Amino acid sequence: NAGVTQTPKFQVLKTGQSMTLQCAQDMNHNSMYWYRQDPGMGLRLIYYSASEGTTDKGEVPNGYNVSRLNKREFSLRLESAAPSQTSVYFCASSPRETQYFGPGTRLLVL
Amino acid sequence: DQQVKQNSPSLSVQEGRISILNCDYTNSMFDYFLWYKKYPAEGPTFLISISSIKDKNEDGRFTVFLNKSAKHLSLHIVPSQPGDSAVYFCAAMGSGSRLTFGEGTQLTVNP
Repeated sequence: NAGVTQTPKFQVLKTGQSMTLQCAQDMNHNSMYWYRQDPGMGLRLIYYSASEGTTDKGEVPNGYNVSRLNKREFSLRLESAAPSQTSVYFCASSPRETQYFGPGTRLLVL
Repeated sequence: DQQVKQNSPSLSVQEGRISILNCDYTNSMFDYFLWYKKYPAEGPTFLISISSIKDKNEDGRFTVFLNKSAKHLSLHIVPSQPGDSAVYFCAAMGSGSRLTFGEGTQLTVNP
């Protein structure tokens, strides 16, 4: 039982490049989330998926897209990376109130 | 606007003493509150939670207190241990399953 897994762990991009961050959970949770963490700002919600087949915008969705591929997987895509998207990205899943987080992806956009 | 605030960026305590971490919120629709602990290069891990129908919840060395009239919650760690050194985030939930996080407090427990 691996919980929530994220790939890659670390990525360097040039401005304008695209990439997809992968997230998978094996806890059979309905809801999944993507957050970004920046210094002094806590975790901010980018997108979430309350159930398979649905996605909704969070607090900071601009510049991102998501896909809930199936119940296990929820991916985050940056179509044209910008330096402002340099951050640590966390995926989470939850059965109800409590969210369980993955180890994070550290992204640097040059 | 910041609906969940942790006004102390850092806190330092001696091993064996009590650590008190504070959190304030502004949205009266929040009805469930959680504390997470985060070590460097790891994801946040769930610590303890409290529903708005309660004013206290205890789990071992960790106790969370909720004062709804003041829109304030606190996490007490007794006794504090060096392994408790981490960043602590409070989070609040209203309708739906979205969490709003505070900025975090870095706790350092000195041996």
